[in-house]
Amino acid sequence: DIQMTQSPPTLSASVGDRVTITCRASQSISSWLAWYQQKPGKAPKLLIYKASSLKSGVPSRFSGSGSGTEFTLTISSLQPDDFATYYCQQYDSYSPTFGQGTKVEIK
Amino acid sequence: QVQLVESGGGVVQPGGSLRLSCAASGFTFSSYGMHWVRQAPGKGLEWVAFIRYDGTNKYYADSVKGRFTISRDNSQNTLYLQVNSLRPEDTAVYYCAKDNILRGNYPNAFDIWGQGTMVTVSS
Repeated sequence: DIQMTQSPPTLSASVGDRVTITCRASQSISSWLAWYQQKPGKAPKLLIYKASSLKSGVPSRFSGSGSGTEFTLTISSLQPDDFATYYCQQYDSYSPTFGQGTKVEIK
Repeated sequence: QVQLVESGGGVVQPGGSLRLSCAASGFTFSSYGMHWVRQAPGKGLEWVAFIRYDGTNKYYADSVKGRFTISRDNSQNTLYLQVNSLRPEDTAVYYCAKDNILRGNYPNAFDIWGQGTMVTVSS
């Protein structure tokens, strides 16, 4: 299986901060990467697919970049609704895998 | 609106079985692959299984292969997961999720998720 490693595991930030989360794949996955946001007790929500395509309805402060083995999710100006856990997911293989998650906390 | 509603979870003894269901509405169910994804308490997300839009191709995580079976009834807009030989480590919230590619042959991103159904394996 392709292993996905996210960093950092936890991130403390303030409203208005620019936040960047990194996801690394154990082998090249081209651009077959998605990002999800999950709040406690809720199902995940798709934010970004194909590394940089923003899902319809997702605020433009979210952006994704990268290809191959290194990817980033950036929140340009953190809002109160953005405090959550974020997961990357590869779908280059028949067996999709997730990163372990990055929790964005209030500083 | 687009909606997925899971049911069928519960408490079961090790070695037991359950059948999870996922009722879909608001989209052409028969045109999209579907997934099951699980999340153990306090842990991250784990993809479990995928079924192609027409039911012809199925893929499973190694951790459930041979014990879990994914299926679908396109006439009833319903996805299923038969879970057998349950182990304590299968304890999790099980989510169904819609694939984001129309008539895709392989797993892609998951653009719609249900609210989840809890499966607890305990004696």
